[in-house]
Amino acid sequence: GAGVSQSPRYKVAKRGQDVALRCDPISGHVSLFWYQQALGQGPEFLTYFQNEAQLDKSGLPSDRFFAERPEGSVSTLKIQRTQQEDSAVYLCASSPLVAGGYEQYFGPGTRLTVT
Amino acid sequence: QQQVKQSPQSLIVQKGGISIINCAYENTAFDYFPWYQQFPGKGPALLIAIRPDVSEKKEGRFTISFNKSAKQFSLHIMDSQPGDSATYFCAASMQDNAGNMLTFGGGTRLMVKP
Repeated sequence: GAGVSQSPRYKVAKRGQDVALRCDPISGHVSLFWYQQALGQGPEFLTYFQNEAQLDKSGLPSDRFFAERPEGSVSTLKIQRTQQEDSAVYLCASSPLVAGGYEQYFGPGTRLTVT
Repeated sequence: QQQVKQSPQSLIVQKGGISIINCAYENTAFDYFPWYQQFPGKGPALLIAIRPDVSEKKEGRFTISFNKSAKQFSLHIMDSQPGDSATYFCAASMQDNAGNMLTFGGGTRLMVKP
């Protein structure tokens, strides 16, 4: 079956531009997570959705980062006024469980490069 | 605050050898400890996981050893193969209001030489 998909796979943005990264979770999955993975590092939690509700956004590094999941399926991570330190791979993961950490499926990620 | 520390950062093993990756955690509230495998250009994929009520779990060539008192756990890959060459991440999770989000270690890049 189809896994988690993300688009675009690669994005190059000039400093100061806004970007939008899309995540299509596995159909029917309740939980959706966004993680940021810097080069050579482990993924770090950004935000969590249970259906359309954003229950935790404590990992978002600044108010330039915004995420939504309006209909409880597709999610978009938006970064405004991109900075060089935003360069990373952004991973989306979904889970059929409310306690999503116990069974999490990752997408391939979007590699963002800010020049 | 790095709650999960992983070592070594890189590891080279001969084909057929045993690969061992170690992790240590700080928060005793963690109740789920998975290992993820990541190939270049791909997202992490769950390999094997353990809960703190058991000391060892084995699935095929992969074994997790868990030491609750030391707050440490490790991944053993027996009969390592070139196809195992990837980056491995340990992680930890606990019941909270963030859907039990995962806290990852820094990763270990494993290379298995033929």
